[in-house]
Amino acid sequence: DIQMTQSPSSLSASVGDRVIITCRASQGIRNDLVWYQQKPGKAPKRLIYAASSLQSGVPPRFSGSGSGTEFTLTISSLQPEDFATYYCLQHNTYHRTFGQGTKVEIK
Amino acid sequence: QVQLVESGGGVVQPGRSLRLSCAASGFTFSNYDMHWVRQAPGKGLEWVAVISYDGSDKYYADSVKGRFTISRDNSKNTLYVQVNSLRPEDTAVYYCAKNDYGMDVWGQGTTVTVSS
Repeated sequence: DIQMTQSPSSLSASVGDRVIITCRASQGIRNDLVWYQQKPGKAPKRLIYAASSLQSGVPPRFSGSGSGTEFTLTISSLQPEDFATYYCLQHNTYHRTFGQGTKVEIK
Repeated sequence: QVQLVESGGGVVQPGRSLRLSCAASGFTFSNYDMHWVRQAPGKGLEWVAVISYDGSDKYYADSVKGRFTISRDNSKNTLYVQVNSLRPEDTAVYYCAKNDYGMDVWGQGTTVTVSS
């Protein structure tokens, strides 16, 4: 199975900060990568698909980049509602795999 | 609007079984592969299984292979997972999700607690 290594596992940031989260795949997955945001007690919400396409209705401060094995999610200016846990997902193979998650907390 | 609603969770003793359901609405269910994903308390997301749009292909995570069976009834717009030989480590919120560039739409989840 493809392993997804996500980093960091947590970070503390302030409103207005630029935040970057990384996912690395154990083998090439083209651009078959999705980013999700999850808040406590809620289902994940898709932010980015195909590595860099913004989901309809998601603010443009969220962006994704990468291809192959290295991917990043960038929040250009962190807002109070962005404090949550973020996951990447690879869907290059039938056996999907998620990253371990990154918890974004208030500094 | 597109909606997925899970049901069937509960508290169950180790070794017992449950069938979870996911009712779909707002889209042509029979056109899409569907997934089950779970999340243990305080843990990350774990993909469990996927079924093709017509039910002909099924794939499972190693952690559930041989114990869980995914199925669907396209006439009822419903996805299922039969979970057998439950273990304490199967305790989790179970989500169903529609497959489209990964998983685009998720249900609200149903909670399974395995405890004696």
